[in-house]
Amino acid sequence: DIQMTQSPSTLSASVGDRVTITCRASESISTWLAWYQQEPGKAPNLLIYKASTLETGVPSRFSGSGSGTEFTLTISSLQPDDFATYYCQYYRRPWTFGQGTKVEIK
Amino acid sequence: EVHLVESGGGLVQPGGSLRLSCAASGFTFDNYAMNWVRQAPGKGLEWVSGISLSGGTTYYADSLKGRFTISRDNSKNTLFLHMNNLSAEDTAVYYCAKAASSGSGSPLNSWGQGTRVTVSS
Repeated sequence: DIQMTQSPSTLSASVGDRVTITCRASESISTWLAWYQQEPGKAPNLLIYKASTLETGVPSRFSGSGSGTEFTLTISSLQPDDFATYYCQYYRRPWTFGQGTKVEIK
Repeated sequence: EVHLVESGGGLVQPGGSLRLSCAASGFTFDNYAMNWVRQAPGKGLEWVSGISLSGGTTYYADSLKGRFTISRDNSKNTLFLHMNNLSAEDTAVYYCAKAASSGSGSPLNSWGQGTRVTVSS
């Protein structure tokens, strides 16, 4: 099965910082990759799909890139609402999630 | 607006069974694949199961070893997850999630609030 590995596991940052999270697939997944944000106690929320397509309503400070085995999620200027955990997901069988990256306040 | 409301969670003894339901509204239910995703306490997201538009095709995480069954009733806009032979490792919040399209290769663009399942004696 395809494995998805995120780095780092935890990231400390300040409001206004540029933040980058990496997701690596154990084999090529083309651009079948999504990114989700999950705030504590809440359900996940889709941010990006097809590696770089922004979901409707998601702020433009979020962007995604990559193809094949390496992908990145970038937040251009971190806002207070962005302190959360972020997951990548390969959304074909077996719909594997990465282990998550927690973005915390520095 | 899409609404997904899970129910059926609770405390169950090891070896027991439980049926989760997800009531859907705000969209044409039988036009979209549906999924269950779970999250153990303090852990990450784990995809559990998915089902096609008609219910004729189902998918499961290998780790479930045939203990779970996903189904849907399109006449009642409801998704189900039947869980058997539960163990402590199944303790989690279970989310119902709507696929963004009819195909199996689709991200999950709407989620319910989750229902908590606790397996303990």
